[in-house]
Amino acid sequence: AQSVTQLGSHVSVSEGALVLLRCNYSSSVPPYLFWYVQYPNQGLQLLLKYTSAATLVKGINGFEAEFKKSETSFHLTKPSAHMSDAAEYFCAVSPSGGYNKLIFGAGTRLAVHP
Amino acid sequence: EPEVTQTPSHQVTQMGQEVILRCVPISNHLYFYWYRQILGQKVEFLVSFYNNEISEKSEIFDDQFSVERPDGSNFTLKIRSTKLEDSAMYFCASSEGRNRGEQFFGPGTRLTVL
Repeated sequence: AQSVTQLGSHVSVSEGALVLLRCNYSSSVPPYLFWYVQYPNQGLQLLLKYTSAATLVKGINGFEAEFKKSETSFHLTKPSAHMSDAAEYFCAVSPSGGYNKLIFGAGTRLAVHP
Repeated sequence: EPEVTQTPSHQVTQMGQEVILRCVPISNHLYFYWYRQILGQKVEFLVSFYNNEISEKSEIFDDQFSVERPDGSNFTLKIRSTKLEDSAMYFCASSEGRNRGEQFFGPGTRLTVL
């Protein structure tokens, strides 16, 4: 079965520092991978997605992620954190053969302090 | 910009009562989904719906649950006899196409079962 593991339920960074949120997946076939962000009291917003094209994917708000098949990873990064980046981030995988259902990781809450 | 809407934003009900959660997907989308997120836990897939029938459902989606597209715009999730453990945030999502297209999420309905 497909699964997603997000290392670190809470990550805290200083404003201007590098953001690194980790995601590892298990899949028997090449998956599609997604990062979603959830701001307080809001729904899930797509940050970026990997769909077997370029391995380095750029998303909104300056985020990017790199698909590494050898490491089964899809870590999310941003060079310089902003206060507005404070939110919960979810990595998700879309299994092959399903009608696009998403399997989510447990989420990582990002705090940004001055 | 088109968006998925959900009503109500918060529903409080007594155990054993029936609830209907409503969603209006993006108008040209063909695939519809329900997910739930129990407080402090990961987002879980419940069901996907296409062409007026269920495409896939999870183990969570038992006989207490049903979905319906009663008209051309609404997509509903009914829980027949609510239990305490049904308390969660329920998210509706829709996507345009089958091929792992992006899912757009609504803001969610927080269901509280007393």
